[in-house]
Amino acid sequence: QKEVEQNSGPLSVPEGAIASLNCTYSDRGSQSFFWYRQYSGKSPELIMFIYSNGDKEDGRFTAQLNKASQYVSLLIRDSQPSDSATYLCAVNKNRDDKIIFGKGTRLHILP
Amino acid sequence: DTGVSQNPRHKITKRGQNVTFRCDPISEHNRLYWYRQTLGQGPEFLTYFQNEAQLEKSRLLSDRFSAERPKGSFSTLEIQRTEQGDSAMYLCASKKGSYGYTFGSGTRLTVV
Repeated sequence: QKEVEQNSGPLSVPEGAIASLNCTYSDRGSQSFFWYRQYSGKSPELIMFIYSNGDKEDGRFTAQLNKASQYVSLLIRDSQPSDSATYLCAVNKNRDDKIIFGKGTRLHILP
Repeated sequence: DTGVSQNPRHKITKRGQNVTFRCDPISEHNRLYWYRQTLGQGPEFLTYFQNEAQLEKSRLLSDRFSAERPKGSFSTLEIQRTEQGDSAMYLCASKKGSYGYTFGSGTRLTVV
């Protein structure tokens, strides 16, 4: 079982709709959870991090964490064509440890 | 300092040659990480430093790979006797404290 699993996609969402990206992780001791966005040919960019169960909102982005189910999700409201990218889910066991990345989900926003 | 700087941006080398990449982290960041990323995959951890100390090295990393961070400032990643399987994007990231990384633009290595 891989440490961080994501559906590779592509996930196609109409412009203006909500995009929902999901991720599961295997290490129940994981403490910190991250979402990175990566445009083609570019390096990953941190967009959200979450430590506690529940939701965390930042603008059009909401990260959701359910530690009991070992599940992390990212919701993007009012999707824009500029949101088309690969979204990487990442976790670490403690805040001083390395971050482990999933393979990423390709998101395509349809104009 | 506006971000993490990596040089060169692109490197094409012949199989069997040695290559060295450089990373300059954000100045106040004490932790520095190296990752490798191939097409369709997420970044794969290689090694990391806290200041000048190399704290962890991936078991996947062969002996042909070595990294240094003298004086806890910039870092270098060297690959000896390159192979075609080494072709990838090599990413450097730094951080301070509990938050996520800031990545550099990466060095794209092509071994021909």
